[in-house]
Amino acid sequence: ETGVTQTPRHLVMGMTNKKSLKCEQHLGHNAMYWYKQSAKKPLELMFVYNFKEQTENNSVPSRFSPECPNSSHLFLHLHTLQPEDSALYLCASSQEGGGSGTGELFFGEGSRLTVL
Amino acid sequence: QKEVEQDPGPLSVPEGAIVSLNCTYSNSAFQYFMWYRQYSRKGPELLMYTYSSGNKEDGRFTAQVDKSSKYISLFIRDSQPSDSATYLCAMSYGGATNKLIFGTGTLLAVQP
Repeated sequence: ETGVTQTPRHLVMGMTNKKSLKCEQHLGHNAMYWYKQSAKKPLELMFVYNFKEQTENNSVPSRFSPECPNSSHLFLHLHTLQPEDSALYLCASSQEGGGSGTGELFFGEGSRLTVL
Repeated sequence: QKEVEQDPGPLSVPEGAIVSLNCTYSNSAFQYFMWYRQYSRKGPELLMYTYSSGNKEDGRFTAQVDKSSKYISLFIRDSQPSDSATYLCAMSYGGATNKLIFGTGTLLAVQP
């Protein structure tokens, strides 16, 4: 496996279900991110983890719960979602600490979530 | 007012055309400017990166930044059907990659 892998690629869930999205990066990076991508909207940063510690939570509803057990794995636990949460959820990783701000995020292919 | 404005398109051009993609922004503190390309059913990938004002060229792609006008552009010369994708501009204040602010993306279709 190379790069950033996300599973599942597609997920359909009811509003009362509990599910999880998984992300794994094979790049040796120390930062991982969850983004939400909706049609006609900019990518929305949800959570950031640096060295396994959450450093950013952009006012995301508590029905989304991230978990970062180590620097290679990131999860997004989902429960009691709303139909408006249907979107593409992208995981990304980067190597932080250089301070250059080059902006090179390495994205996975995303998990397409549909909430019925 | 959105921090970053980008026309979502779609933009359809014939093969071989010169394509111009643009973004405007409101915050003069942005220092780093990027273009990501996203193919259908894939995640975005970094295409071009520019620091501050000026031009940067990479093969058929040229990125331009005009900080005085708060305007960035991506030019694609001799466009190919394989260039068909969504192009997202992104910018940051510098220092921390996680402070990227993205545009909505422009969907480009290059017709053979």
